[in-house]
Amino acid sequence: GAGVSQSPSNKVTEKGKDVELRCDPISGHTALYWYRQSLGQGLEFLIYFQGNSAPDKSGLPSDRFSAERTGGSVSTLTIQRTQQEDSAVYLCASSFLAGTYNEQFFGPGTRLTVL
Amino acid sequence: ILNVEQSPQSLHVQEGDSTNFTCSFPSSNFYALHWYRWETAKSPEALFVMTLNGDEKKKERISATLNTKEGYSYLYIKGSQPEDSATYLCAFIPGGSYIPTFGRGTSLIVHP
Repeated sequence: GAGVSQSPSNKVTEKGKDVELRCDPISGHTALYWYRQSLGQGLEFLIYFQGNSAPDKSGLPSDRFSAERTGGSVSTLTIQRTQQEDSAVYLCASSFLAGTYNEQFFGPGTRLTVL
Repeated sequence: ILNVEQSPQSLHVQEGDSTNFTCSFPSSNFYALHWYRWETAKSPEALFVMTLNGDEKKKERISATLNTKEGYSYLYIKGSQPEDSATYLCAFIPGGSYIPTFGRGTSLIVHP
């Protein structure tokens, strides 16, 4: 079946511009996560959506970052007024929590470069 | 902030060598420990989901063990092949949370 998809695969933007990254999770997966990996760093948790519950935003690094998940499916991560330190690979993952101990299925990522 | 450490950071081995690496995590409030393989230009892919102290999982030449009391997991690769070259990530999930904390990974390069 179809896996997690993300778009765009690559995004180059200028400092100060806004960007939107999209994630389409596996159908039926109730949990959706955003992570980022900066150069030389591990996977950093950003935000978590579970069903219709309020998202866990505890990992968002600043108020320039926001995310939404519409209809319990597609999610968009928005970064406003991008900075060079936002350059990273942004990964989305989805999970069917019940009975799977939260095994994550990852998308291919969006590589964001802020010039 | 949960401390999940992986060692070594990188590893170069020759084809046919066996190798192993470590993930250490908090020894209290354990729910699950995941291992993922992340090949260049691909998505991280789950290898093992480990849930019980003493768990041993195996998939072909790769196996993993789990010690929740002392807070570590080992990943073993027997007879490494060039296609095993990847970054191996572990992720710790504490009880009461659905948010994994990932280690920084072990980068494995297998030379033909």
